[in-house]
Amino acid sequence: EIVLTQSPGTLSLSPGDRATLSCRASQSFFSSFLAWYQQRHGQAPRLLIYGSSNRAAGVPDRFSGSGSGSNYTLTISRLEPEDCAMYYCQQHGTSIIFGPGTRLEIK
Amino acid sequence: QITLKESGPTLVKPTQTLTLTCTFSGFSLNTHGVGVGWVRQPPGKALQWLTHIYWDDDKRYSPSLKDRLTITKDSSRNQVVLTMTDMDPVDTGTYFCVRRLPPINGFDSWGQGTLVAVSS
Repeated sequence: EIVLTQSPGTLSLSPGDRATLSCRASQSFFSSFLAWYQQRHGQAPRLLIYGSSNRAAGVPDRFSGSGSGSNYTLTISRLEPEDCAMYYCQQHGTSIIFGPGTRLEIK
Repeated sequence: QITLKESGPTLVKPTQTLTLTCTFSGFSLNTHGVGVGWVRQPPGKALQWLTHIYWDDDKRYSPSLKDRLTITKDSSRNQVVLTMTDMDPVDTGTYFCVRRLPPINGFDSWGQGTLVAVSS
């Protein structure tokens, strides 16, 4: 079974900064199976990115995804206070795996 | 508007069976490719996928939990039911109902979640 590792565990940045979140897999898979979610405190997760680089409906273009094989990245440009959340990557294959998450703090 | 809502007990005893119902609206589980499933989250921890059922009754289970899980659907009532046997305190957490709509490989809609505690 694929294992996903996310780094850093916690990221603390200021409004207007750029955030770069990493998701690495224990083995390669098709980029079409990689998704990213945002979970604000006390809320259900929200799909941000699917197929590694496609933004879900209603997601601002400040959010972008990239990567292939076993290395994937979520980039959030021009951080806003509302971006404070946990971010999870997910491999959506026959079995579905979530990473442990990255906590993004906005100073 | 797409909605999913979880319902079921908030407290179960160890060794009991948990039954949760997801009632959804705004889409049909008879539509080709559509799936509805469950994801859980222990307090303060990461998300964990449990199971999924598709429009054609294809069912997928988390390998680590498959012996304890059963998922069924009633498309006419827009409901999906999860049963999890032999509940343990480590199963305490929020259980989310989710939708998968092809061609998106991901869960594009989520219920608000229901908190289930396992305690004697």
